Amino acid sequence: GQQVMQIPQYQHVQEGEDFTTYCNSSTTLSNIQWYKQRPGGHPVFLIQLVKSGEVKKQKRLTFQFGEAKKNSSLHITATQTTDVGTYFCAGPYAGGTSYGKLTFGQGTILTVHP
Amino acid sequence: DVKVTQSSRYLVKRTGEKVFLECVQDMDHENMFWYRQDPGLGLRLIYFSYDVKMKEKGDIPEGYSVSREKKERFSLILESASTNQTSMYLCASSLSRWGSPNTEAFFGQGTRLTVV
Repeated sequence: GQQVMQIPQYQHVQEGEDFTTYCNSSTTLSNIQWYKQRPGGHPVFLIQLVKSGEVKKQKRLTFQFGEAKKNSSLHITATQTTDVGTYFCAGPYAGGTSYGKLTFGQGTILTVHP
Repeated sequence: DVKVTQSSRYLVKRTGEKVFLECVQDMDHENMFWYRQDPGLGLRLIYFSYDVKMKEKGDIPEGYSVSREKKERFSLILESASTNQTSMYLCASSLSRWGSPNTEAFFGQGTRLTVV
């Protein structure tokens, strides 16, 4: 299946510091999605990027899709305790016969110290 | 609101038992997924279904099977549970839209399975 690698695995920050997680693929992705999972919860969709070089913002969150469509990043400015959780990127399986099959990165666990 | 409901939040089973995990979605989605979540390994796809009675293996299908007899229901079956199948199991569904290889996936609350 499609291999989507995500780094770092863990990130500890002080409240107010910035945070970035990176997602890399060995092949070109038609699109990439980002999800957030709060502790004890389930993953919740944040955003989808489709175009090469695309940048989207959601308040303090900035999402980027690389020019080659092989990497993506999520940047949080001035973290808050409400940002705590695991952030996943997800992309489509390469090849295969089916449409809609989704593979996830390993996730980045963000801890925010008040 | 899309709702994906998993039959159990917590489950404890014995080694060798046959285990059924049920998932129901109420938004008429074509795609349904079963993932397994383990620390440090992210979400790994076990099986995917894109239509009734249609299924595809994911990355870790060994020891599992699935059933999709109705569009809204996707069942994961552990034929003979083993301790290494102790994990969090997450069901998800998504719409199949022509021209869009992926759409937003909606997840259930998860089933924490312990095999003893």
